[in-house]
Amino acid sequence: DGGITQSPKYLFRKEGQNVTLSCEQNLNHDAMYWYRQDPGQGLRLIYYSQIVNDFQKGDIAEGYSVSREKKESFPLTVTSAQKNPTAFYLCASSNRDRLEAFFGQGTRLTVV
Amino acid sequence: KNQVEQSPQSLIILEGKNCTLQCNYTVSPFSNLRWYKQDTGRGPVSLTIMTFSENTKSNGRYTATLDADTKQSSLHITASQLSDSASYICVVVDSNYQLIWGAGTKLIIKP
Repeated sequence: DGGITQSPKYLFRKEGQNVTLSCEQNLNHDAMYWYRQDPGQGLRLIYYSQIVNDFQKGDIAEGYSVSREKKESFPLTVTSAQKNPTAFYLCASSNRDRLEAFFGQGTRLTVV
Repeated sequence: KNQVEQSPQSLIILEGKNCTLQCNYTVSPFSNLRWYKQDTGRGPVSLTIMTFSENTKSNGRYTATLDADTKQSSLHITASQLSDSASYICVVVDSNYQLIWGAGTKLIIKP
């Protein structure tokens, strides 16, 4: 069935390591987004992509990187340069009119 | 600065009761306002989307209102159920399709 799939659901990372969070959608949406959610705060935009092979930084892009080689996939890499990576990460996609965003189930990243 | 403020921060009510959540925003220019429901540890799910010209929109037991003049919105939940326990997030979209997220109201329904 159609939707957005994020994996893994839980991820543990040692300090100094890079990790990659997966996001795949089969909704044929052009736009995809990565958000970070911390307790008591609204979602904050990390990166977004409106078309294949193009992406833009959001409000908190430092320490993160993305790629958009395929329409269906928008992986997020949390690099060792991200000083406080422990958070809940949400991927979303929307169609061309961008009227509604559909979210994956999230990945909870913990630095150990 | 574009901001979205939600109140209360958290709310506990008994099953079967009604409740109203508030959202005030300073976003300009305005495109649309959305309410999302987010269960713990899950992604948000859209409840309603309201444009400038819409005052009220319903989705089952959820009714959202919008006053674009005072820049206020509310989400009213009727005859609450245990499954309504979640965070409810107000999101305002500006004319550049930038989404400004509120911090959410955490609603707990007790039997």
